[in-house]
Amino acid sequence: EVQLVESGGGLVKPGGSLRLSCAASGFIFNSHAMTWVRQAPGKGLEWVASIGISSTYKYYADSVKGRVTIFRDNSKNSLYLQMNSLRAEDTAVYYCAREWNDWFDSWGQGTLVTVSS
Amino acid sequence: EIVLTQSPGTLSLSPGERAILSCRASQSVSSYLAWYQQRPGQPPRLLIYDASKRATDIPARFSGSGSGTDFTLTISSLEPEDFAVYYCQQRGTWRNTFGQGTRVEIK
Repeated sequence: EVQLVESGGGLVKPGGSLRLSCAASGFIFNSHAMTWVRQAPGKGLEWVASIGISSTYKYYADSVKGRVTIFRDNSKNSLYLQMNSLRAEDTAVYYCAREWNDWFDSWGQGTLVTVSS
Repeated sequence: EIVLTQSPGTLSLSPGERAILSCRASQSVSSYLAWYQQRPGQPPRLLIYDASKRATDIPARFSGSGSGTDFTLTISSLEPEDFAVYYCQQRGTWRNTFGQGTRVEIK
């Protein structure tokens, strides 16, 4: 069974940093591109960043570009999102998702990031 | 950036009725469109990909159609568990975008 478990969320002050992690199991991690998607409270889905199988590509949404870095460790079956210079508008549940044929076919339960003073 | 506009914002229907949800793209995405279902407190679930292909274990009452800029998700007969929010997503370019969602609620 595919499992994606996010961690690392919490309360952080504006301008602060946070690193999110996603532990993957139940599939061959290094055979899939991976993605982060976020959802602000009561709002819709927003794609954040994607990374290729061997980190050959990294794509970012304009809203986070320059402040966020996606990376992965295939030896640990883990995906990460390093977030710096956090703003109130970054407050959201952050989901990691597996890509399959370019689509997001498995999702974690999400981790909540709250940016507030 | 490709903008996806979903309509209606909310659909009020009774169990057993047919639901028709629309997603319109600001420019052609060919068939690179998917639909996701999100129940309260749950992550999204992939329903339809490549505009019309059902994902694994998705019931046959869900169907997708369209290409280019106009797409439709049809639920032929609503079951109680189908009352949820539905999002379309495009991958016409690497810059993924989602629609704003359609809520299907019990009338």
